Amino acid sequence: EDKVVQSPLSLVVHEGDTVTLNCSYEVTNFRSLLWYKQEKKAPTFLFMLTSSGIEKKSGRLSSILDKKELFSILNITATQTGDSAVYLCAVINAGNNRKLIWGLGTSLAVNP
Amino acid sequence: EAGVAQSPRYKIIEKRQSVAFWCNPISGHATLYWYQQILGQGPKLLIQFQNNGVVDDSQLPKDRFSAERLKGVDSTLKIQPAKLEDSAVYLCASSRQGLGNSPLHFGNGTRLTVT
Repeated sequence: EDKVVQSPLSLVVHEGDTVTLNCSYEVTNFRSLLWYKQEKKAPTFLFMLTSSGIEKKSGRLSSILDKKELFSILNITATQTGDSAVYLCAVINAGNNRKLIWGLGTSLAVNP
Repeated sequence: EAGVAQSPRYKIIEKRQSVAFWCNPISGHATLYWYQQILGQGPKLLIQFQNNGVVDDSQLPKDRFSAERLKGVDSTLKIQPAKLEDSAVYLCASSRQGLGNSPLHFGNGTRLTVT
């Protein structure tokens, strides 16, 4: 059965810390992996990764995919209180019957 | 560009009543999705449209849920009759192309409470 596992489930850090969130997957016929940030509303798109080893970067956030070891990491440097949210990872399988398989998310709290 | 628009933002109904949600996707996005998200869980796909055709409705409880996208743009999701376990956030998302070719962009959702 296809699955996406995120770790840790929750994390509490202080402003200025650097955090690394993990997403591992077991999916038949992988196509792409997506990261979303969810505050008290809808998920906001962060990154879409399809190729191994190519880092995607947006400000203090970056992400990379390892298709050999079947995982991705999301890094946040110099964290701010506004980074507090649930970070969701989702994987899309390839083929005609594509599905988006979601992890349960990592809840990040950044304290001042 | 304007994001995905949803209404209403909140809805409280009694069990066995009916409710409808509306979604306007990002202009030019061919694919539209309805998701149900229960607190503490990832979104669960209810139905996916490509233009005005249904691509995947395998997890839609068809005895009580229905959805349509008649002109390939706006969409409505209806629940009739509602049950207590339908309490959740209903998210609409759209993507320019099909799943896997472009990312999904979500609306702010409708929080449904069934009492």
